Amino acid sequence: DIQMTQSPSSLSASVGDRVTITCRASQTISTYLNWYQYKPGQAPKLLISEASTLQSGVPSRFSGSGSGTEFTLTISSLQPEDFATYCCQQTYSTPPTFGQGTKLEIK
Amino acid sequence: QVQLQESGPGLVKPSETLSLTCNVSGGSFNSFFWAWIRQPPGKELEWIGHVYYSGSTTYNPSLKSRVTISLDASKKQFSLNLSSVTAADTAIYYCARAWAHVRHNFDSWGQGTLVTVTS
Repeated sequence: DIQMTQSPSSLSASVGDRVTITCRASQTISTYLNWYQYKPGQAPKLLISEASTLQSGVPSRFSGSGSGTEFTLTISSLQPEDFATYCCQQTYSTPPTFGQGTKLEIK
Repeated sequence: QVQLQESGPGLVKPSETLSLTCNVSGGSFNSFFWAWIRQPPGKELEWIGHVYYSGSTTYNPSLKSRVTISLDASKKQFSLNLSSVTAADTAIYYCARAWAHVRHNFDSWGQGTLVTVTS
C-alpha cells in the first residue's frame, strides 16, 4: 500500500493567517491526490481532487498543488469555520490510502 | 442533494459480526461506487471496500477475508458485514459515495457511526 505522511500533525493559527499543510506519498502518485476536511460529528468534505481541482462550493481561499510525491494544501486567509482536521488521500492505486490528518486549531 | 446515513449497533462483542447499513436519499443510486471507510481512535482513515451499483465489489486486501459489502438498489441501501471482530475494529464507520469515473473520490459521506467492540 502507498503510505501518506502529513506534516504537521497539528497547527495553531489565527483568523486571517495563511497556512500550508504538506502531504508526502511513499511513491509517485502523479496528481492522484485529494484533500478532505472533517470535523467531529460531521460528514467529511471533499475539498480538492486531482491535487489542485477545487470542488464546487469550496471557497477560493483553499488551494492545492503538487505532483509526484509532494503536495500542499494552502488556506490563504483562515476563517473561523476552517478550524478542523484536514487529510490527504491518494487514489493512484487500490486500496486508496489516507494521511494521518492535520488538526488546525485556533491560536 | 444526496444524503447518506449509517445505522447499526454501537456495541459488538469480540468474535461476532459487525453489521451496518447505509441509507441513501435525495440522489440517484446508479453510476456510483458505494464505499465503507473507517477511522479507529487516533488513527488515519482506512478504506474498507466498495460496491458498484451493478453489485460488483472490491475490498481492502487487509480486510478481505472478513468483509462483505452488498447493496439493495430497490431500497437505496448498502451494507457492511465484518466478521470475527476484535478490539482493533473499534472505529467510526463512514459510508461514502464516489462517481463511477473517479472511483475513489468520495464526494458525499455520512456523518459516521461509532462502533465499539467490547465484551
